[in-house]
Amino acid sequence: QVTLKESGPVLVKPTETLTLTCTVSGFSLSNTRMGVSWIRQPPGKALEWLAHIFSNDEESYTTSLKSRLTISEDTSKSQVVLTITNMDPVDTATYYCARIAIFGVIIPYKFFDVWGQGTMVTVSS
Amino acid sequence: SYVLTQPPSVSVAPGQTARITCGGNNIGSKSVHWYQQTPGQAPLLVVYDDGDRPSGIPERFSGSNSGNTATLTISRVEAGDEADYYCQVWHSSSAVFGTGTKVTVL
Repeated sequence: QVTLKESGPVLVKPTETLTLTCTVSGFSLSNTRMGVSWIRQPPGKALEWLAHIFSNDEESYTTSLKSRLTISEDTSKSQVVLTITNMDPVDTATYYCARIAIFGVIIPYKFFDVWGQGTMVTVSS
Repeated sequence: SYVLTQPPSVSVAPGQTARITCGGNNIGSKSVHWYQQTPGQAPLLVVYDDGDRPSGIPERFSGSNSGNTATLTISRVEAGDEADYYCQVWHSSSAVFGTGTKVTVL
C-alpha cells in the first residue's frame, strides 16, 4: 500500500522558516518513474503546486515562490523535505505532498496518483 | 504562465449528467487530469490522461479534451459526487491546477 504522510509545525511566526517532511511508504524514491510534489491549499481556495523532485535530482519550483523554496530528498529515510523561508500570514494553508506517477513511453505523461492527508499550517504572531 | 479556467459551480439533479469544463490555451495538446476533493479530505485522482480512470473509480466518470477545452463528465450523478473538482496539466515542467468547480447535487 502506497502512503504519504506530511509532518511539521502547526503554527509558525511571520518571517520564520517552515520545514515540512513527507514520509513515504510502499514505493521507493529511487524509482525513476516516480517523483514527489508539494502542493498547498489556503482555506477555501484552490490547489497551488509548489515544487517537485525526481530521483534523477530534477527539481522544479513555482515561479512566484522560487526564491523562498527548497526541496530535497533523503532516499534512505524515504523522506522529501520542503523548506519555505520568510513565512507570511498569506502562506497559511493545508500543505500536501503527493506522488507523481509517470506513464507512457513515447510521449510520457505524469499525474498525482496518491496524496497525503495534508497538514494545516497557520502563520501568525 | 499557463492558466486553467473552470466554472465556479455546477448544479445537477441526482441521476442527471454533470459536465465540468476546463479552459486553457490549446489544452487539447496536453494531457489533462482531474481530481475530486470532498470537504476536509485530500484530493483524489478520478481521471488521468484526458479520459482514463484509475482502478476503483466508477465508469460514470469520463473525460474528453480537444481544442481549448477539456471536460469531465459525471453520468448518473449521485449524492456522493458532491465535491470540488480540479483539472490539472503540466506546462514547462510546472504543474498547473484549474480554479476549481464546486459540484452541488440538488
